[in-house]
Amino acid sequence: GAGVSQSPSNKVTEKGKDVELRCDPISGHTALYWYRQSLGQGLEFLIYFQGNSAPDKSGLPSDRFSAERTGGSVSTLTIQRTQQEDSAVYLCASSPGQGAGANVLTFGAGSRLTVL
Amino acid sequence: AQKVTQAQTEISVVEKEDVTLDCVYETRDTTYYLFWYKQPPSGELVFLIRRNSFDEQNEISGRYSWNFQKSTSSFNFTITASQVVDSAVYFCALSGSNTGNQFYFGTGTSLTVIP
Repeated sequence: GAGVSQSPSNKVTEKGKDVELRCDPISGHTALYWYRQSLGQGLEFLIYFQGNSAPDKSGLPSDRFSAERTGGSVSTLTIQRTQQEDSAVYLCASSPGQGAGANVLTFGAGSRLTVL
Repeated sequence: AQKVTQAQTEISVVEKEDVTLDCVYETRDTTYYLFWYKQPPSGELVFLIRRNSFDEQNEISGRYSWNFQKSTSSFNFTITASQVVDSAVYFCALSGSNTGNQFYFGTGTSLTVIP
């Protein structure tokens, strides 16, 4: 697509429920990142995918968080047993991964998660 | 350690004033990239500029200019003749050759331009 698409744009859930957030990167972009942005805060790295390589999961805050990327394209971030502290905007970004603009990130509009 | 510091949390200026947003970085990499992103109230981060560590030339793009100084590990961003549309949160970021393609973002500077 023309840009990075994220869904849902807004999600309200009850504590303890599982949620799935979806990211559709720019076509052809091999690198995909998930970040978390809490209210008024900077960007917290969660996970990074590059092509068929094993993902860099070093930023995932707990084992309740997981992500996958199918077919080198769409990615899903899953949060199990949500807690109130999971409330944040979850940002997805992709980059070409190679070439002149290899590491220029294009961000999606984010998925705002509210855990009641 | 890889780190980006944006000491200015919030800045307010009156329209048409010039404003400089500071960015100081730390890295052990000899090859690295520095970035600025803009996050307007609508929320979507937009790429502004990328600089690699071998290119210390300053850059100007319209009312925007960037001053990269390796001697002080700084990559400051100046907006000349600010406009209301410049109101946003601005993030500085670092990516190094040895950091596994991770990006290190500063905590952002919230700029408000008052008409």
